[in-house]
Amino acid sequence: QSALTQPASVSGSPGQSITISCTGTSSDVGGYNYVSWYQQHPGNAPKLMIHDVSNRPSGVSNRFSGSKSGNTASLTISGLQPEDEADYYCSSYTSSNTRVFGGGTKLTVL
Amino acid sequence: QVQLQESGPGLVKPSQTLSLTCTVSGGSISRGGYYWSWIRQHPGKGLEWIGYIYYIGSTNYNPSLKSRVTISVDTSKNQFSLKLGSVTAADTAVYYCARAWDQSLDYWGQGTLVTVSS
Repeated sequence: QSALTQPASVSGSPGQSITISCTGTSSDVGGYNYVSWYQQHPGNAPKLMIHDVSNRPSGVSNRFSGSKSGNTASLTISGLQPEDEADYYCSSYTSSNTRVFGGGTKLTVL
Repeated sequence: QVQLQESGPGLVKPSQTLSLTCTVSGGSISRGGYYWSWIRQHPGKGLEWIGYIYYIGSTNYNPSLKSRVTISVDTSKNQFSLKLGSVTAADTAVYYCARAWDQSLDYWGQGTLVTVSS
């Protein structure tokens, strides 16, 4: 299974909005509404931020939102804050009943 | 609050078997609806899904690792385990255990670094 495709890096200034894309195929992202997003700060375990394409777990800021169109899912962070600086990973269920991650995107808050 | 903790050797020799255990607290591993998972992260790299086990013992593995991976569960100890055979330096990584719920990983262990070196 091939990793999902994410941009290596994105950046934005405090208060701005950014969007991270996650592109797969009809066998994973496009075929199921099972895309999740994870935030990872250096030295820490990943943290679930979005599940099932657009649902936020309890406790996650509503500045984080998810969507999907065709084979591409997106994570949008609005009102950027310094603490949002981290690595972000998407993940999807696949037609083989496995899971696949994206390569990760480093978010820099300027 | 569910907590997961990985344990096992931090150094494994090439060609040997990597063995890790994940101890779950704050919830029963036998409670249905959750898949107990292993994920790894090579140094400075992205996440790689290894596989999962359901409490009754059914498993699913990453096809690229399937020939070398075994995940097992011990419900009496509220633990699940990972074995990865014939390791090489390419298996050096931080290994995480996690709980999968509704196709997402909602609780993670802190991770443990395993280095493969003679």
